[in-house]
Amino acid sequence: AQKITQTQPGMFVQEKEAVTLDCTYDTSDPSYGLFWYKQPSSGEMIFLIYQGSYDQQNATEGRYSLNFQKARKSANLVISASQLGDSAMYFCAMREGNTDKLIFGTGTRLQVFP
Amino acid sequence: GAVVSQHPSWVICKSGTSVKIECRSLDFQATTMFWYRQFPKQSLMLMATSNEGSKATYEQGVEKDKFLINHASLTLSTLTVTSAHPEDSSFYICSAREGNSPLHFGNGTRLTVT
Repeated sequence: AQKITQTQPGMFVQEKEAVTLDCTYDTSDPSYGLFWYKQPSSGEMIFLIYQGSYDQQNATEGRYSLNFQKARKSANLVISASQLGDSAMYFCAMREGNTDKLIFGTGTRLQVFP
Repeated sequence: GAVVSQHPSWVICKSGTSVKIECRSLDFQATTMFWYRQFPKQSLMLMATSNEGSKATYEQGVEKDKFLINHASLTLSTLTVTSAHPEDSSFYICSAREGNSPLHFGNGTRLTVT
């Protein structure tokens, strides 16, 4: 069965520093997709970055990059140059096969301090 | 870009009453939409897949007679929580995808049953 694990309930980072949020996954399907979403206190889910299982290069979107290590089944999110507005919950999610159903991890609460 | 709108943002209802939540794709057609539930400080759990013109597909453990889903048009899916009870109080959030874009989420509905 597919599974997403986020082992860090909370993380602190100083403004302008980089931070890595961990995510490991488990699936038997060779075709899958990995996502990171940000959820501020207001509740909406904001898409950040996507990595397909067959993508050769690590995905990057502005200050966000995904450290995809397929053999280790990890898809860590790296946020560079943290900003106070980055404080939020971050969820890793996986899409298995060609479905649109997402399985979410338990999330990591990131707090950025001045 | 693709936008998913959800209404209402929050609702308070009395135990035993029914509540309807709407999910609209504003600038694209969505044959499939997804409904998630998120309890406080927990992750998002998929409840059901809403299919335009046909019956919804419910995840294991989700009561289809309690959580009625109607997807009557390509831009609107509704979730009705029937005979709501305090344990149904939660954050309900829908999502949809346009073409090959990542899933976009609505802003969510916070339901409180008194």
